[in-house]
Amino acid sequence: DIVMTQSPLSLPVTPGEPASISCRSSQSLLHSDGYNHLDWFLQKPGQSPQLLIYLGSIRASGVPDRFSGSGSGTDFTLKISRVEAEDVGIYYCMQALQTPITFGQGTRLEIK
Amino acid sequence: QVQLQESGPGLVKPSQTLSLTCTVSAGSIRSGSYSWTWIRQSAGKGLEWIGHIFPSGSTDYNPSLKSRTTISIDMSKNQFSLNLKSVTVADVAVYYCARFVNGWYYFDSWGQGTLVAVSS
Repeated sequence: DIVMTQSPLSLPVTPGEPASISCRSSQSLLHSDGYNHLDWFLQKPGQSPQLLIYLGSIRASGVPDRFSGSGSGTDFTLKISRVEAEDVGIYYCMQALQTPITFGQGTRLEIK
Repeated sequence: QVQLQESGPGLVKPSQTLSLTCTVSAGSIRSGSYSWTWIRQSAGKGLEWIGHIFPSGSTDYNPSLKSRTTISIDMSKNQFSLNLKSVTVADVAVYYCARFVNGWYYFDSWGQGTLVAVSS
């Protein structure tokens, strides 16, 4: 199985400030199609997960442009340019290169 | 907008079978563009992919659960189901059904989740 490791696990952020979450995979997620099969999603308190970024850097429909994904191979980053109060929750990375699909442990973003 | 809704018992006895159903609305389960997935979330193991089924009936399971898992699909009811045999307290989790977009490799829709406890 591909192991996904996120850091930090907890991220206190002041509103308006940027935030960054790292995700590392135990093997390269770069597919022969040229895409990295790495997704990011957010689980807000009491809700199901919602997609933010897919294929490493493609923002999902309706996701604010303050969210961006980057990276390739085994190292990926989710950046929030200016954190807002509604961004609180747990952020997960997920690899869809091969089954079993696996997830990071999650990064809890909280507002200072 | 497609919607998914899990249903089934919230309490299962140890060694018995956990059975859940996911009803898909505002979208057809027949579409080859998607595969239909079960994922669970527990405090101990985080998010865990259980397996998925294609409209053809083809399945793929997490090797860690494969011996106990069956996922099936009912086109006539626009539903798919999960059976997990011989449950223990380690199977206590929130169980989600989700739709996976084939070719784009992401989950675009999730059910609200249902908590399953295991106790005699």
